[in-house]
Amino acid sequence: DIQMTQSPSSLSASVGDRVTITCRSSQNINNYLSWYRQKPGKAPELLIYAASTLQSGVPSRFTGNGSGADFILTISGLQPEDFATYYCQQSYSSPRTFGQGTKVETK
Amino acid sequence: QVQLQESGPGLVKPSETLSLTCSVSGGSISNYYWSWIRQPPGKGLEWIGMIFNSGSTNHNPSFNSRIIMSRDTSKKQLSLRLTSVTAADTAVYYCARKVPGYCSGGNCYSSLYLGFDIWGQGIMVTVSP
Repeated sequence: DIQMTQSPSSLSASVGDRVTITCRSSQNINNYLSWYRQKPGKAPELLIYAASTLQSGVPSRFTGNGSGADFILTISGLQPEDFATYYCQQSYSSPRTFGQGTKVETK
Repeated sequence: QVQLQESGPGLVKPSETLSLTCSVSGGSISNYYWSWIRQPPGKGLEWIGMIFNSGSTNHNPSFNSRIIMSRDTSKKQLSLRLTSVTAADTAVYYCARKVPGYCSGGNCYSSLYLGFDIWGQGIMVTVSP
């Protein structure tokens, strides 16, 4: 199985901050990487797929970069609704696997 | 607008079979890939398996042979059966659709390699005597 490792596991930030979350895969996954935001008690929401393609309807403050085994999600100008947990997920091979999550909390 | 709704029992006894249904509204199920994903309380996401547009399936080997997935295109429903459940199977279970394949800038991407764009609200299933 491909292991997905996110860092940090949690971070504290304020509204308006720029936040960066890193995801590393245990092998090359090309750009078959997606990012999700999950608010408490809700289903995950797709933010980014194919490493850098913004899902329709997702605000442009979310950007994704990377290829191969190293990926970054950047939130430029954190909004109140962005305090949540973020997951990366690879679709390169089966079984699909997710990172352990990064919780973005209020500073 | 496609919407997904999971349904099934919220409580299952150990060693019994968990059976869930995902009802799809607002669109066809035939042309898309679908997955089941679960999340134990307070933990991360675990992919269970996928139903392809052909109706064939692929599941996470960690479930061994306990998983049975199927679809009913006439009813627009997906189903998941997990046999011999234990307390470790207690989780919120989601059904989700894979992003449809597309072509852009001369490159084409199969749905197989893309993320999950539409999710159900999830159903909490507890395994307990």
